[in-house]
Parts: sequence; structure tokens; C-alpha cells
Amino acid sequence: AQTVTQSQPEMSVQEAETVTLSCTYDTSESDYYLFWYKQPPSRQMILVIRQEAYKQQNATENRFSVNFQKAAKSFSLKISDSQLGDAAMYFCAYITAGDDKIIFGKGTRLHILP
Amino acid sequence: KAGVTQTPRYLIKTRGQQVTLSCSPISGHRSVSWYQQTPGQGLQFLFEYFSETQRNKGNFPGRFSGRQFSNSRSEMNVSTLELGDSALYLCASSLQGALAQETQYFGPGTRLLVL
Repeated sequence: AQTVTQSQPEMSVQEAETVTLSCTYDTSESDYYLFWYKQPPSRQMILVIRQEAYKQQNATENRFSVNFQKAAKSFSLKISDSQLGDAAMYFCAYITAGDDKIIFGKGTRLHILP
Repeated sequence: KAGVTQTPRYLIKTRGQQVTLSCSPISGHRSVSWYQQTPGQGLQFLFEYFSETQRNKGNFPGRFSGRQFSNSRSEMNVSTLELGDSALYLCASSLQGALAQETQYFGPGTRLLVL
């Protein structure tokens, strides 16, 4: 069975600094997708970034980028120029291609220090 | 477009009762998925509906059920409530439910407290 592990329950970063959230996953599949979701205090889940496993190039969305290491089964999220609005719970998630069951990690709570 | 809406936002029930939660997807979206979020278990997939049919189901007991109407609105029902059912229940909609290729849009959730 596939699993997703986020080893950092909480992290803090100074405003304007860069922070990296870790995620590892376990799967025997070769075709899959990885996601980072953000859940602010409003509790609504927001998709931050998506990575297709068959793509070697790391996905980037403005200040958010990932470091996807397929062999190591690692998928970390880097937030540059952290802003107060980035404070939230961040979830790493996985889907096997062709299977619509999404598996979430336990989440990392990110605090932004002014 | 209006986002995903969930009603009610908060609910308090007692053990043994049943509850029905509602989710209205974004207009044009035909897939609705339900998730349970608890501090201990995290975010877990309950089930997914597409065109009024349940297509996928997570590992939850039969007390958890759902349905989808012809307008894509979905309801989730939990019977014989237990204390452990206290959670935030999130629903998400997407166009076709091909979650690897599409973006899921989440609602604000319904917080259920079972006493």
C-alpha cells in the first residue's frame, strides 16, 4: 500500500526567508502524481503545486517550488520569500495514475514569524 | 463561479444519532469526493461520486454512506454516530474526477462534534 510521510509536524520561518517542507512516500508504482495542498485557518484546502512522476523537471508556481527526487521517493516543498499569508497546514499527497484515491500525509503546520 | 459549498458548517450530535451533510459542487463539476479530517488520523478519503454513482470508496465502515443527485449535489450520511466520528468533513469537486489530471476544489468543511 502507498504511504505518505511528513516528518515535520511543525515548522517556523521568519517572514521573507525561505523554508523547505519535507515529504517522503512509498509506492511500487511507476506512474503517479504528487501534490502539495495548503489548509489555512479557514480550513479550506487549496492546491499549491502538482508534480507528475514521469516529468524530471521540478514543478514551480511563483514562490513555491518542489524538489522531486524519484529514486529517493522524496518530494519537498520550498517556499521562497515567506509571507504571513503562507501560515497554514501543508499536506503532501499522492495519487497512482488511473486510481482516484488520494492519500495524504499527516501535515506540517507552518508558522510565519513577523 | 461560486465555490464548493457545504452545509451545515457546524453540527453537534449525540452518540447513536445519525447525521446528513450536504455538498454543492462548483457548477459543471460532476465528481464529488468526501474526506474525514481528524487530529489523530489526518485526512482520509471516504468516497467519490460521479454521475450519481459511487466510483471509489475508502476504508470506512458501512455506517458511512453517501449519494449524489442529478444536479451533482452530494450528501453524506453517518448512522449510529460514535464519539470517534467527531471530525471535520470536507468535500471536494472536480470536473470528471480524474484527480491526477484535474484540480480538486475543496469546500470549507462541516465540523461535526459527537457528544
